[in-house]
Amino acid sequence: DAGVIQSPRHEVTEMGQEVTLRCKPISGHNSLFWYRQTMMRGLELLIYFNNNVPIDDSGMPEDRFSAKMPNASFSTLKIQPSEPRDSAVYFCASSPLTGGPYEQYFGPGTRLTVT
Amino acid sequence: AQSVTQPDIHITVSEGASLELRCNYSYGATPYLFWYVQSPGQGLQLLLKYFSGDTLVQGIKGFEAEFKRSQSSFNLRKPSVHWSDAAEYFCAVGARFGNEKLTFGTGTRLTIIP
Repeated sequence: DAGVIQSPRHEVTEMGQEVTLRCKPISGHNSLFWYRQTMMRGLELLIYFNNNVPIDDSGMPEDRFSAKMPNASFSTLKIQPSEPRDSAVYFCASSPLTGGPYEQYFGPGTRLTVT
Repeated sequence: AQSVTQPDIHITVSEGASLELRCNYSYGATPYLFWYVQSPGQGLQLLLKYFSGDTLVQGIKGFEAEFKRSQSSFNLRKPSVHWSDAAEYFCAVGARFGNEKLTFGTGTRLTIIP
């Protein structure tokens, strides 16, 4: 299996621009998670989906952030407008099961720099 | 809610020496426990997990961890480290009777000296 696929791997954008991060989970996995990692705050869960349905978005920092999962093989995290404080590494992870805290498999991440 | 503490921010070990990374959790019942490793510029890779049964669990890359209920700990061990083990290590806990979320520790950075 190819594992979790994220694109782009690096993104540099200017403040105010829209940024879209993409994720393809492992085939057959039923849960998908978006995380943000920074030196200051560590690894933060932003939102997660079960069977394409958003379950918990309490970690989304503000309305500038939105996430969608239109089907079982694709999810996006959008930031509009972007700000320098959004600079971080964004990870997508998928898990084979729902109904409990099972192991998650992480993608390689997208390093976002907002200037 | 569950929580996890990794008391050591940074550990330095000589190549070939043994390693133990500490992880303490807080949860009212036996949780689900995980160790992940993150190499520079990479995502997190699952090393091992504990759900139930034998309290000593074996993982990939020669790592093992022992669940100790009395100490609320799940320490990661390796008998002999290799230079390639230099990375950041994260302990994570999930609520056995909860949802799909994992709570991650702040990580321990491992440096290997020749």
